Amino acid sequence: LAKTTQPISMDSYEGQEVNITCSHNNIATNDYITWYQQFPSQGPRFIIQGYKTKVTNEVASLFIPADRKSSTLSLPRVSLSDTAVYYCLVGRGFQKLVFGTGTRLLVSP
Amino acid sequence: NAGVTQTPKFRVLKTGQSMTLLCAQDMNHEYMYWYRQDPGMGLRLIHYSVGEGTTAKGEVPDGYNVSRLKKQNFLLGLESAAPSQTSVYFCASTDPTSQGSGELFFGEGSRLTVL
Repeated sequence: LAKTTQPISMDSYEGQEVNITCSHNNIATNDYITWYQQFPSQGPRFIIQGYKTKVTNEVASLFIPADRKSSTLSLPRVSLSDTAVYYCLVGRGFQKLVFGTGTRLLVSP
Repeated sequence: NAGVTQTPKFRVLKTGQSMTLLCAQDMNHEYMYWYRQDPGMGLRLIHYSVGEGTTAKGEVPDGYNVSRLKKQNFLLGLESAAPSQTSVYFCASTDPTSQGSGELFFGEGSRLTVL
């Protein structure tokens, strides 16, 4: 299983762009990279998933370099409601999906 | 469409008591998972199932048992609860036909306290 490493916490201000990097040095060929967001007292919620290069949806972008040993979740113009814990998940198929420790993002006014 | 439903949402047990947490999903997902999350910590995988009648161990399976008798339900049992099992338990499901590793759909969690 690919072990992931993320910063424990990050601070930002409203309106700024936030980039959270996840390291996954032993990612396997078939693994996809998925990011989840979790608010207090709630289950995690899917944000974005990618395999290589760049993926963008309505809430975030995911940048994956050619060697795929890391990935960066980019949140444009964060707001107070983006304060949450963000998890990077590297999946080998569907079987044993293991979460890392996550990054606690605090957005201040 | 309810998604993933967990019952009960809250429970207090005494050491040594047993209980079962029920997870039900209405999305016809093949894969289901049980995670636990201790205060201020990440999620740890307890057990998972890749289909009806199958179960497998995750990262922290000791002290728990699971069953998947019906595709839509995944039960997590504690035979003899211990204070170390005080945690919030999350159930999740996903569809293996999706691209990549699929999107995990989580329930709202079940908060268990063992005294």
